[in-house]
Amino acid sequence: DAGVIQSPRHEVTEMGQEVTLRCKPISGHNSLFWYRQTMMRGLELLIYFNNNVPIDDSGMPEDRFSAKMPNASFSTLKIQPSEPRDSAVYFCASDLQGATEAFFGQGTRLTVV
Amino acid sequence: AQSVTQPDIHITVSEGASLELRCNYSYGATPYLFWYVQSPGQGLQLLLKYFSGDTLVQGIKGFEAEFKRSQSSFNLRKPSVHWSDAAEYFCAVGPSGNTPLVFGKGTRLSVIA
Repeated sequence: DAGVIQSPRHEVTEMGQEVTLRCKPISGHNSLFWYRQTMMRGLELLIYFNNNVPIDDSGMPEDRFSAKMPNASFSTLKIQPSEPRDSAVYFCASDLQGATEAFFGQGTRLTVV
Repeated sequence: AQSVTQPDIHITVSEGASLELRCNYSYGATPYLFWYVQSPGQGLQLLLKYFSGDTLVQGIKGFEAEFKRSQSSFNLRKPSVHWSDAAEYFCAVGPSGNTPLVFGKGTRLSVIA
């Protein structure tokens, strides 16, 4: 398996634009997590899904953020409109019920100018 | 509430010297504990994990960690550091698969000749 795949790896966008980050979890995994990493706050959980259903989105900072998981092999994190303070590295991770390890993608570095 | 504290933001060690990275956790039940490593521009890779049993666990790349329930600690150690170990190290606590981990803020390791 190629692991958790995130795209794009880097995104530079202007303030006010819509940004969509994509994640393909490891095949067979039934949990998916979106994290945001910043220098100030470290790794923060934004939202996670079990069996494609959002379980906890309390970490989503504002209504500008939304996440979907239309099927077991794909998830998106959307920011609309984007702001400079959204600049961070966004990680996706997947896991399997009863498993003992979450696997992380390589992240998307988002810069909003 | 679950929390993880990594008291050292940045540590510098000489190549060949021993290393210990500290991690303290707060968790209401028997924790599952993890150490991840993040190389620059990369995602997080699992170094080792503790679920139960022997409190000294061995991981990849020559790392080990010891779970001390009385001290709520799970410190990471390596007897001889290599230059390639320079990275960011994250301690995390959680139950198990299907639920998100709580991460510490990380410790950045620099290795000097």
